[in-house]
Amino acid sequence: ETGVTQSPTHLIKTRGQQVTLRCSSQSGHNTVSWYQQALGQGPQFIFQYYREEENGRGNFPPRFSGLQFPNYSSELNVNALELDDSALYLCASSATGDSPLHFGNGTRLTVT
Amino acid sequence: AQSVTQPDIHITVSEGASLELRCNYSYGATPYLFWYVQSPGQGLQLLLKYFSGDTLVQGIKGFEAEFKRSQSSFNLRKPSVHWSDAAEYFCAVGVGTGRRALTFGSGTRLQVQP
Repeated sequence: ETGVTQSPTHLIKTRGQQVTLRCSSQSGHNTVSWYQQALGQGPQFIFQYYREEENGRGNFPPRFSGLQFPNYSSELNVNALELDDSALYLCASSATGDSPLHFGNGTRLTVT
Repeated sequence: AQSVTQPDIHITVSEGASLELRCNYSYGATPYLFWYVQSPGQGLQLLLKYFSGDTLVQGIKGFEAEFKRSQSSFNLRKPSVHWSDAAEYFCAVGVGTGRRALTFGSGTRLQVQP
């Protein structure tokens, strides 16, 4: 069984640029969520996608957007990067029902 | 709004000693509760979860947790800690659609002394 995979593992961007992070869900999972984890903090929920539609969003501005594809892979896009966007971005997938989230190892984004 | 508090930022225990990590939550409905562990540079691994039923739940790696509704707590325990248990531990409550939008605590870093 393939787990949740994220790419790239590390990324450095300049303030004002745009970035796309990618996630491949675990086989059989149709729900994907994205989380932002700042250094020394717990993860914060960004949004969730189910069957290619956003069905839950945390307290993040619209410059954070996402996509889920028919094969259940996903993207997180962040426009107009700010220094505070530097964090570990975690993708998690789950099946329907009460199945819990399975997390990837994350993408470490540094904004300079 | 929901919240999770982990009062202990950092805990050090000796190998072989027992462990209890505290977690308190605030949520208006019946909570879905989770404990995750994170090793440096890694993602989160699920240790155990509580949805309903028996308030004492068993997880992987010899961990257990007890849900106490009257105290709004979900403390994690292990009777004998191993050096490989050193990591960051996060408690979370599941809210929103399908209870998959997790609200995490700020974590407890566990160090294990030989």
